[in-house]
Order: sequence, then C-alpha cells, then structure tokens
Amino acid sequence: GQQVMQIPQYQHVQEGEDFTTYCNSSTTLSNIQWYKQRPGGHPVFLIQLVKSGEVKKQKRLTFQFGEAKKNSSLHITATQTTDVGTYFCAGHKAGTALIFGKGTTLSVSS
Amino acid sequence: DTGVSQDPRHKITKRGQNVTFRCDPISEHNRLYWYRQTLGQGPEFLTYFQNEAQLEKSRLLSDRFSAERPKGSFSTLEIQRTEQGDSAMYLCASSIGQGWNEQYFGPGTRLTVT
Repeated sequence: GQQVMQIPQYQHVQEGEDFTTYCNSSTTLSNIQWYKQRPGGHPVFLIQLVKSGEVKKQKRLTFQFGEAKKNSSLHITATQTTDVGTYFCAGHKAGTALIFGKGTTLSVSS
Repeated sequence: DTGVSQDPRHKITKRGQNVTFRCDPISEHNRLYWYRQTLGQGPEFLTYFQNEAQLEKSRLLSDRFSAERPKGSFSTLEIQRTEQGDSAMYLCASSIGQGWNEQYFGPGTRLTVT
C-alpha cells in the first residue's frame, strides 16, 4: 500500500544552523502537505504543494515538491528555538486518504 | 474560540468498556476527519465525513470502531469493547471544500485503556 517515509527521525541542531527533512512516497502523489506539531500539541498545517517541481517559501521555511511528485523536502534556514517540534509530511493520492509520515522531530539548543 | 474542539480531553477506561468521543468542527467546515496517533507516529487516518455522509473508513479499522455525524455538524467516535492496543491520542480535524485541503486539528482525546 501507499507509504510515506520521512528522514531523519530526529535531528538536533544548534540555534542558527540549518535543518532539512525529507519525505518520500512509494507512489506518485496528487499533493503533499506539511504539518508541525509542537510537544504536547496538535498538528498545525504549514503548506500544501500540488505542482511538480513546486517550491514555496514561508519566511525561513522552504518547501519543495519533486519533479516526479514522489518526494518533498522542508528546509529551515537559521533555526530558532521556536522551530522545535515534529514536522510531518502527508501525502494524498487520488482515491485515497491523506497518509502521514512518522515525522522528523527537531530539537534546537541555544 | 472558533477552532476544532474535542471532548473529553482525557479518558481512562478499563478493558472491555465502551467509550465515546465527541468532536465539534469549525462551523463552516463540511469535512470532518478522525485520526489516531501513538507515540512516535504520525496521525493514522480512521475515517472521514463530508457533511453527514461517511465517505471512507480505513480498512485497518476494527469493526469495534464506529463514527457518526448525524446532522453534518459535530461527530462522535465510539469504540466498543476497548482493548489495551486502543490506547492512543484520537484526533479530529476539519476542512472546507471538496478535496483534501488544509486540515485544522483539534487538541485530541487521549485514551488510556487499563
């Protein structure tokens, strides 16, 4: 069945360093969404990517959707302590529900 | 607060008991989703509604689980004959429109089965 894999599972960085998490699907996706979940909180929507090769930016966050629409990445420039949390990608394929990856948990030390 | 609300926030029950959770979506949202999340995992899709119609149910979902959204507003998720493996955070989310758009999640109901 459809799976969405995320790497790494955990990442620790010093404040100011960059961070990247990768998401890979076994099948072509219609779209991909990214969510952030703070410790003890619930997932919060960040962005949705629909087009092949799409790149979107939100301040220090850059999201990419691969040309084959099977992979995606989230890059954070100059991390801050407020970036701490777990970042999930969630892929959707026509006719199926949204499938979440296991997430990448980011910790940041100042 | 106009976000998604869930009740109760925590539930402790003994194995074999039935439990029911409630979700109130954002008022104008026509889609409502139920997910289950365990430690170290992403949300796992259970089922979703478009208005009052239940359009999809996970094939992995036991028949002990049932959900309703009778008037297309709030929804309930019932688990019958709970098992220890049902212990998890149950998340509700809602969205607007026909496709799989941005979902707004509630705070969740944490179920512990002893």
